[in-house]
Amino acid sequence: DTGVSQDPRHKITKRGQNVTFRCDPISEHNRLYWYRQTLGQGPEFLTYFQNEAQLEKSRLLSDRFSAERPKGSFSTLEIQRTEQGDSAMYLCATDKGSLSDTQYFGPGTRLTVL
Amino acid sequence: EDQVTQSPEALRLQEGESSSLNCSYTVSGLRGLFWYRQDPGKGPEFLFTLYSAGEEKEKERLKATLTKKESFLHITAPKPEDSATYLCAVHHAGGTSYGKLTFGQGTILTVHP
Repeated sequence: DTGVSQDPRHKITKRGQNVTFRCDPISEHNRLYWYRQTLGQGPEFLTYFQNEAQLEKSRLLSDRFSAERPKGSFSTLEIQRTEQGDSAMYLCATDKGSLSDTQYFGPGTRLTVL
Repeated sequence: EDQVTQSPEALRLQEGESSSLNCSYTVSGLRGLFWYRQDPGKGPEFLFTLYSAGEEKEKERLKATLTKKESFLHITAPKPEDSATYLCAVHHAGGTSYGKLTFGQGTILTVHP
């Protein structure tokens, strides 16, 4: 399978715990994006990487959120001290890096904070 | 600020009953308009990219069109397997060259046999 993969697919945690999600991009895709999607809404942009550099963060990304993309390959998104409002689907997407290139999405990680 | 509005929020069709979904956008300089399909519990699946007014693209029973203010996704003779949420997203020509997408809220399509 050469698509975008995400792990885990589902995560249930208690409020206050830390969680980390992983995204593996399509091979040779330079740009990697994280989005968050709540029920009944479209995905909302969180942050993006050009290779290993994190170039933009949305104001949705509070101080409890951090993302990395070491060596420009896979990326991780960590949420510290989770809150019930963090419950959502976290989506990763990648593209080749040319202007207005098509983004391909992974299957998402469904986070439930109890 | 970019804005994308999709209508209707939900659409129920009988198998074979053709219809259209609407995506209205307000963006300062459109670089691309994207249509995705999303099944429950899954990530969005790419369908089409449209770049300029007047452009049309087709795939099986789906046809996407673009004007300066809106896009339509036409569904001809739909089948139950076309049931899904259809998402529209725009990429604008801002000061950066990256591909941040702004999405609408989606249209939930249900096709009954």
